[in-house]
Amino acid sequence: EIVLTQSPGTLSLSPGERATLSCRASQSVSSSYLAWYQQKPGQAPRLLIYGASSRATGIPDRFSGSGSGTDFTLTISRLEPEDFAVYYCQQYGSSSFTFGPGTKVDIK
Amino acid sequence: QITLKESGPTLVKPTQTLTLTCTFSGFSLSTSGVGVGWIRQPPGKALEWLALIYWNDDKRYSPSLKSRLTITKDTSKNQVVLTMTNMDPVDTATYYCAHLGSSITVFDYWGQGTLVTVSS
Repeated sequence: EIVLTQSPGTLSLSPGERATLSCRASQSVSSSYLAWYQQKPGQAPRLLIYGASSRATGIPDRFSGSGSGTDFTLTISRLEPEDFAVYYCQQYGSSSFTFGPGTKVDIK
Repeated sequence: QITLKESGPTLVKPTQTLTLTCTFSGFSLSTSGVGVGWIRQPPGKALEWLALIYWNDDKRYSPSLKSRLTITKDTSKNQVVLTMTNMDPVDTATYYCAHLGSSITVFDYWGQGTLVTVSS
């Protein structure tokens, strides 16, 4: 089973700043099967990025994804107040899905 | 418009079997490539994928929980059912069902989730 590690655990930033979140896999992941989700308290996760770099429907272009192999990155170019949340990466491989432990982006 | 909603008991006793139903609309589970999955989240913790069923009745399970899980579908009722045996307090979590996009293999629509507490 592929294990995903996310860093940092918590990212404290101010609105308007750039956020860079990392997701590392224990073995190579097909870029086609790497996704990012956003989750706010009391809400279900929302799909942000799929295929490592494609934005889901309705996702603002300040969100971008990149990476390949075992290292992937979610970048939020300028944080808006509504972006403070927990972010999870997720992969699909070997007929199994796994999620990372999450990165919390909170207000500094 | 795709929607999903989970239903089932809010409280189960240890050793009991949990049965959850996902009722959905806006898509058909007989459409090629489509799937419905279950994901859970213990309070304050991360997401954990549990199971997935495809349009063709192909099923996938989390390796760590495979022995305890069964996923089935009723296409005519637009429902997917998850059963989990031998429930334990560590299984206390919010359980979500989600639509798997046919060409992107990600969970693109989610239900609101249902909190299941395991306690005697």
